[in-house]
Amino acid sequence: GAGVSQSPSNKVTEKGKDVELRCDPISGHTALYWYRQSLGQGLEFLIYFQGNSAPDKSGLPSDRFSAERTGGSVSTLTIQRTQQEDSAVYLCASSLVGQSYGYTFGSGTRLTVV
Amino acid sequence: DAKTTQPNSMESNEEEPVHLPCNHSTISGTDYIHWYRQLPSQGPEYVIHGLTSNVNNRMASLAIAEDRKSSTLILHRATLRDAAVYYCILSSTGTASKLTFGTGTRLQVTL
Repeated sequence: GAGVSQSPSNKVTEKGKDVELRCDPISGHTALYWYRQSLGQGLEFLIYFQGNSAPDKSGLPSDRFSAERTGGSVSTLTIQRTQQEDSAVYLCASSLVGQSYGYTFGSGTRLTVV
Repeated sequence: DAKTTQPNSMESNEEEPVHLPCNHSTISGTDYIHWYRQLPSQGPEYVIHGLTSNVNNRMASLAIAEDRKSSTLILHRATLRDAAVYYCILSSTGTASKLTFGTGTRLQVTL
């Protein structure tokens, strides 16, 4: 597609439930990133995929968070046993590989844990 | 990662030029300087990036100091739609192009 697509755009879940957030990157972009942004805060890096390399998971806040990227394209971020502090906008971005390329971000998934 | 410093907020009048400063005194020779902006309720949007030379595109210009320890994003004629948080970020070789966003500069544009 023309841009990075994320779904759902909004998700309300009960505390303790698992959620899956999806990201469809721009075709041909081998790098894919997940960030989250809590209300009024900056962007927090979560995880980075590049091609077939092992992902950089250094930003995942706990073992309740995991992500996979199938076939080098679509990525799913899973949060198990959600907590209220997980409420945030989860943003996905994709890019070509290299320092000189910019990211294209999706519109994000707003997750609310009640 | 090398750190950037930006003012928390700036104001501009519509149709006036805006100069958004960024200090990055610990920049290394291979770091690119990226600028993104985030409009309200949207994901960040790429604006411009550069290494050593000044850069121009349809959105903005990037002026990089000769010693590369600072840079300035220039919006030539601000409009109300340019009101956003502007992030200046360094892309470091060692972090495999992962970008670390700081708190940015909130730009207000008034009539």
